[in-house]
Order: sequence, then structure tokens, then C-alpha cells
Amino acid sequence: GENVEQHPSTLSVQEGDSAVIKCTYSDSASNYFPWYKQELGKRPQLIIDIRSNVGEKKDQRIAVTLNKTAKHFSLHITETQPEDSAVYFCAAPRSSNDYKLSFGAGTTVTVRA
Amino acid sequence: SQTIHQWPATLVQPVGSPLSLECTVEGTSNPNLYWYRQAAGRGLQLLFYSVGIGQISSEVPQNLSASRPQDRQFILSSKKLLLSDSGFYLCAWSVLLGPNNEQFFGPGTRLTVL
Repeated sequence: GENVEQHPSTLSVQEGDSAVIKCTYSDSASNYFPWYKQELGKRPQLIIDIRSNVGEKKDQRIAVTLNKTAKHFSLHITETQPEDSAVYFCAAPRSSNDYKLSFGAGTTVTVRA
Repeated sequence: SQTIHQWPATLVQPVGSPLSLECTVEGTSNPNLYWYRQAAGRGLQLLFYSVGIGQISSEVPQNLSASRPQDRQFILSSKKLLLSDSGFYLCAWSVLLGPNNEQFFGPGTRLTVL
């Protein structure tokens, strides 16, 4: 089954700087990679996802890049703002035929004003 | 549009008491349904999933059980709670298609077992 590793576990950045979170996966057949943001005490919410037919996807200040050869994908947040402070989770399908997701352990991002 | 509800939002229960958490989904049919537990400061652990009425699969051995009496209703239960059952319980759904589908989470139930 899929094994998703996420780094770093915590990340502190100055407001306005960029934040990058990286995840690696083990199943080369995986082809869907979502990112979730969880604010304190709230539910995880999908913020962006990428499918294996593209290498990069952007949505305003957030972007996700995918390197299928190296089996890793990354979340990039530019011009960070205090409201970006949250826990971020990456995920990938358990296997190529599985609708269940394997989640990374999460990254706690703190944006310092 | 689709919505997912969970209740109660918070719950404080004594050790050894029973548990029933409910999740309902609106605006979709035949969803995949999931129960996750999130311990304080930790990641998401999949507890149960269901692809249809009465069909429950358990991910890990534990003190909990799940049922799906209706297409859009998913219930998490326990006969006797343990201290280790404390956590944030999240219900989620996805479209019953292939593996490349978003999971949408409910608002969660924060359970404290004393």
C-alpha cells in the first residue's frame, strides 16, 4: 500500500516569505495528490490537488508541483499571511485501484507577523 | 450542493459509557463514507469505510464499531469507552467512482473520555 511521508513537521515563516512542504510517496502508480488545510479546531479542507497528467498547478498564492520520477510532490505558499497559519496534510491514494487515501503526518505552519 | 453533518459537536463521556456519533450527507447518492480519528496534534487515522448500505470495513482493531443503516447515514459506536478513545472524530465522503476523488470532511466531533 501507499506510504506518504511529509516534511517538515513544523514550519515557521515570516509574513510575506514563502513556505514549502514536501511529501514523498511509494506507489509509482498513484495519480492523485490532494492537499488539505486544517485550521485549529476545524475540519480539514481541500485547498488544491494535482493529477499525474500535469507537473504543476497554481491557485493564487498556492501551487503544487509533482515529480513523478522522484515520487514527490510539494505545496508552495507565496507571500504568506497570518491566515495561512494552520496544519497542512498531503495525501495520495492507498493504491492505484483504491479510493481510500493515505495521509501524511501533517505540517504545522506558523506565519509570524 | 453537497453537505455533510456530524453531531454532536462536542462530547464528554465517562470511561465505560457507550458512544454513538452520527454523520449524514446531503446532496449526493451512493457516497463512499469514512470515519477518521485525529488525536491531539496528530494526523488522520482511518477507522472505518463503507461503499454501501450495510457494508463496513474496519481498518484497525479497536474498541469501536460502525454501521450504515441508510445510504447517507454513517454511525460510529462503542459499547464501553476507553480513555484512549478521546480525540477528534471526522466523518468524510467521496464520490463512488475511482481512486482520484476528493474526500470532503464533516465538521467533526470532539470526544473527551474522562
